[in-house]
Amino acid sequence: DQQVKQNSPSLSVQEGRISILNCDYTNSMFDYFLWYKKYPAEGPTFLISISSIKDKNEDGRFTVFLNKSAKHLSLHIVPSQPGDSAVYFCAAGLDNYGQNFVFGPGTRLSVLP
Amino acid sequence: EAGVAQSPRYKIIEKRQSVAFWCNPISGHATLYWYQQILGQGPKLLIQFQNNGVVDDSQLPKDRFSAERLKGVDSTLKIQPAKLEDSAVYLCASSLNSGVSYEQYFGPGTRLTVT
Repeated sequence: DQQVKQNSPSLSVQEGRISILNCDYTNSMFDYFLWYKKYPAEGPTFLISISSIKDKNEDGRFTVFLNKSAKHLSLHIVPSQPGDSAVYFCAAGLDNYGQNFVFGPGTRLSVLP
Repeated sequence: EAGVAQSPRYKIIEKRQSVAFWCNPISGHATLYWYQQILGQGPKLLIQFQNNGVVDDSQLPKDRFSAERLKGVDSTLKIQPAKLEDSAVYLCASSLNSGVSYEQYFGPGTRLTVT
């Protein structure tokens, strides 16, 4: 039973356009969310996070939106660059619960030049 | 600042053999995690340490997997005996226990193939 779902295994976007990666979760108790990016043969690297007290968090080209009622979050990358091509993982957890997060299966983003 | 170190990077063993992985977290990071990532899936937490104590090992198959973090720094994860379904990338991560950031820093992983 997947608690964190990323229903698009892959996504292709043209350079300069917007990339939108989606994530859904089933546990309404989750109140803290992170996005990680992973290149081949490397470990995941932290990208951006959001707490359930917010519905948006922005960091440069990356923005995460949270819709608590729909148990849905999305990562927007604007503008997309070829270097953004990677696998993106969404992770969800409980604030103040030992930093234990559940990861989704990932979405492979390809940014085409 | 040095990142999370893991060794070996790759390991091929036959089923029923034993294997051990080593992790050295970022200096000063109190929390250490071991994850298993099967191809096409996200990382799954196996065990979480806070200093040298276990916080969560609910998903660790304890009949064959064991982990320790002596002196609250380095950690080893062992599989004995290995099964075909243990083929995966084993990721180690560490984090500060500051209560400010939940960012976890991952090592490059060890790719295990069980034949």
